[in-house]
Amino acid sequence: DGGITQSPKYLFRKEGQNVTLSCEQNLNHDAMYWYRQDPGQGLRLIYYSQIVNDFQKGDIAEGYSVSREKKESFPLTVTSAQKNPTAFYLCASSIEAAPGTEAFFGQGTRLTVV
Amino acid sequence: GNSVTQMEGPVTLSEEAFLTINCTYTATGYPSLFWYVQYPGEGLQLLLKATKADDKGSNKGFEATYRKETTSFHLEKGSVQVSDSAVYFCALSGGWLTFGKGITLSVRP
Repeated sequence: DGGITQSPKYLFRKEGQNVTLSCEQNLNHDAMYWYRQDPGQGLRLIYYSQIVNDFQKGDIAEGYSVSREKKESFPLTVTSAQKNPTAFYLCASSIEAAPGTEAFFGQGTRLTVV
Repeated sequence: GNSVTQMEGPVTLSEEAFLTINCTYTATGYPSLFWYVQYPGEGLQLLLKATKADDKGSNKGFEATYRKETTSFHLEKGSVQVSDSAVYFCALSGGWLTFGKGITLSVRP
């Protein structure tokens, strides 16, 4: 089955530690995205990538980093510089980053920093 | 920049009631408009979309019409079911998706 796999589903980390969230897709999509979801805030774009080896900052990129070394993979690192990292993180992909293009989402990773 | 505004929630309805969830947008150019649905603990699923003015998207009894003159994309369903309980997001695409804050719908038997 084609789709997007995020792992793990739940993640706990101590304050001050970096943590990497995994996102893999087998849809052969060029574009991939990371969103953060907080209660009452909707989804906010962290980073997006239109093609391998290229990525752009979204609205809330501070304290996060990404890489896109392979078409199917777009890992997100939450660094210790992110002031409030506890949230639900969603990865998505689309055929291309163009208007009208449907995005497909993974099941999300809930990160809790204690 | 692009933005999406959804009506405040949550919304609680009885089964078979009529549903309207309001969505308005601000955008440059001619964005595509989407409704996504999120069930508890899951990611988002596309519910319906419209790519140009006056288009009507429909799926599973839900409908929404792209109204350029009022910059709106309101979601409607004639008769809701308990299984429709979820969070609904309006979004626009000018390359990547910009989302509204979402609204929680609870349908009671």
